[in-house]
Amino acid sequence: DAGVIQSPRHEVTEMGQEVTLRCKPISGHDYLFWYRQTMMRGLELLIYFNNNVPIDDSGMPEDRFSAKMPNASFSTLKIQPSEPRDSAVYFCASRRGDTNTGELFFGEGSRLTVL
Amino acid sequence: AQSVTQPDIHITVSEGASLELRCNYSYGATPYLFWYVQSPGQGLQLLLKYFSGDTLVQGIKGFEAEFKRSQSSFNLRKPSVHWSDAAEYFCARYNFNKFYFGSGTKLNVKP
Repeated sequence: DAGVIQSPRHEVTEMGQEVTLRCKPISGHDYLFWYRQTMMRGLELLIYFNNNVPIDDSGMPEDRFSAKMPNASFSTLKIQPSEPRDSAVYFCASRRGDTNTGELFFGEGSRLTVL
Repeated sequence: AQSVTQPDIHITVSEGASLELRCNYSYGATPYLFWYVQSPGQGLQLLLKYFSGDTLVQGIKGFEAEFKRSQSSFNLRKPSVHWSDAAEYFCARYNFNKFYFGSGTKLNVKP
């Protein structure tokens, strides 16, 4: 299995630009999660999907952030416009839905730097 | 509110020494608990998990953890640390489709 695949691995952009992060979950996994990791706040859950439907987006910081999952094998996290405080590592994770205790499988993350 | 606490931000041990990383959880009945490891520039990898049953669980890379309900703890242990164990370790609790992560403990290994 290829694991959770994220792109880009690194992104450097200027304030005000649009940023799109991409994620391909593990095939057969029903749940997809987006996390943000910073030194100050640790790992924060931004949003998660079940069967491509957003279930809980209470962790999305503000309207500049949006996430979509158009099909079972692809999700995007978009920031528009980006700000320096959005600099962080963004992780995508997925898990199976046929158990209540399933572990999360993480991608390698997308490191975003907003100048 | 549900929370997971890792009281140690940094720990340094000598190679070959034993290791114990602390984790405390709050809220709820039988918790589903996990330990993840993150190497620099990498995602999180599962070390072990506890759902029920035997309170001492074995994981990968020679790690084990013991669930102690009376102390609300799920400490991670390894009898002999290797230099390659230097990483950041996260304790997590799972409940209703959400994972609640501790703030992490960074492990340094001295030669």
